[in-house]
Amino acid sequence: GQQLNQSPQSMFIQEGEDVSMNCTSSSIFNTWLWYKQEPGEGPVLLIALYKAGELTSNGRLTAQFGITRKDSFLNISASIPSDVGIYFCAGQPPYSGYALNFGKGTSLLVTP
Amino acid sequence: EAGVAQSPRYKIIEKRQSVAFWCNPISGHATLYWYQQILGQGPKLLIQFQNNGVVDDSQLPKDRFSAERLKGVDSTLKIQPAKLEDSAVYLCASSPGQQETQYFGPGTRLLVL
Repeated sequence: GQQLNQSPQSMFIQEGEDVSMNCTSSSIFNTWLWYKQEPGEGPVLLIALYKAGELTSNGRLTAQFGITRKDSFLNISASIPSDVGIYFCAGQPPYSGYALNFGKGTSLLVTP
Repeated sequence: EAGVAQSPRYKIIEKRQSVAFWCNPISGHATLYWYQQILGQGPKLLIQFQNNGVVDDSQLPKDRFSAERLKGVDSTLKIQPAKLEDSAVYLCASSPGQQETQYFGPGTRLLVL
């Protein structure tokens, strides 16, 4: 699968702060997805993006599908302790069986 | 609606032993995926089924891994014989169709000693 570069690798922030993470690829994707994974659980879908330039919000989360189709970012506003977890970007390439390529994840820790 | 079910949740075996994992997808979902997630990494696709047919198994180590979805519903993933580097979380996901949202199960955590 195509390599996705996700950054930062980890973040340690205080409650109330805003968070930004991004994902880049050397190849284009048809779909960008952002998942959250908590310890002992499988990834849970947060936001799905289907068109270049698309900006989508889900509560305090906002994500954008880059114009070049090779990047995406996720912002979390006013973080709270339950935002703790690992956030993964995933891209769906325009070929094959539409399986997802995942980044390595951004580990988020939020202190009260 | 019930989510994707996986069992067992944990498994510890010695190298060269065999192990099998089971997945029950969301009812009505035609597409089923098995991913391997090594500690500190994102999930990596092993195999994708559409109903009972294989769509993509290009990253499945076929000398030791096998998977089946005989009736197009439940699926099993087997490793025989296991190696130390197979220690990982094995995630099953399902979606209504190939281009639709994938829903993940809780995973099976495998430790090979």
